[in-house]
Amino acid sequence: DTAVSQTPKYLVTQMGNDKSIKCEQNLGHDTMYWYKQDSKKFLKIMFSYNNKELIINETVPNRFSPKSPDKAHLNLHINSLELGDSAVYFCASSPYPDRGPYTGELFFGEGSRLTVL
Amino acid sequence: TQLLEQSPQFLSIQEGENLTVYCNSSSVFSSLQWYRQEPGEGPVLLVTVVTGGEVKKLKRLTFQFGDARKDSSLHITAAQPGDTGLYLCAGLNSGGYQKVTFGTGTKLQVIP
Repeated sequence: DTAVSQTPKYLVTQMGNDKSIKCEQNLGHDTMYWYKQDSKKFLKIMFSYNNKELIINETVPNRFSPKSPDKAHLNLHINSLELGDSAVYFCASSPYPDRGPYTGELFFGEGSRLTVL
Repeated sequence: TQLLEQSPQFLSIQEGENLTVYCNSSSVFSSLQWYRQEPGEGPVLLVTVVTGGEVKKLKRLTFQFGDARKDSSLHITAAQPGDTGLYLCAGLNSGGYQKVTFGTGTKLQVIP
């Protein structure tokens, strides 16, 4: 059983197009994230949702719009794609403990490689 | 902005050698994780450390959280080719805000 699944795995598109990446987790976690990994393998946080509510928006252009229809899903829609949007986008989920502090452990999907031509 | 600097950036060693990877910051973290990422896959969680000075062992891997919770190290004993990958540290900010910041990464290659 796949814990965190993203679709599509690969996406090649032209500049100016609009595209979406979908993410689903079956771990029962309350928190989900989107990260962008650049060509130097640096992982940069984009958004975080807790139980469908946006809690982190890391100065990402308005062209990026996340949507969480329920706590198991977090989708990313990108408008007017630019060359600099080419990267691997990772979805991750994180458990919030019933007791004790949140530790920030992340469970990642396999990534969606976006190439903008 | 919380930054986590990892060193070295690249490491190529022979099978059987020992190595240490460092993760340093000027910020305090509530907890710190280490992940390993292989090509074409997402990062996989190896360990979480929470208490300053904490040491955790995972087979041949030893993880330590600095006393001040600003830094961490990963030591691998007798490295194996299967240890090859990108190692990432990540820290949870201490301000009650659920932001996990990743380090700059260390790419390890273990040659048979």
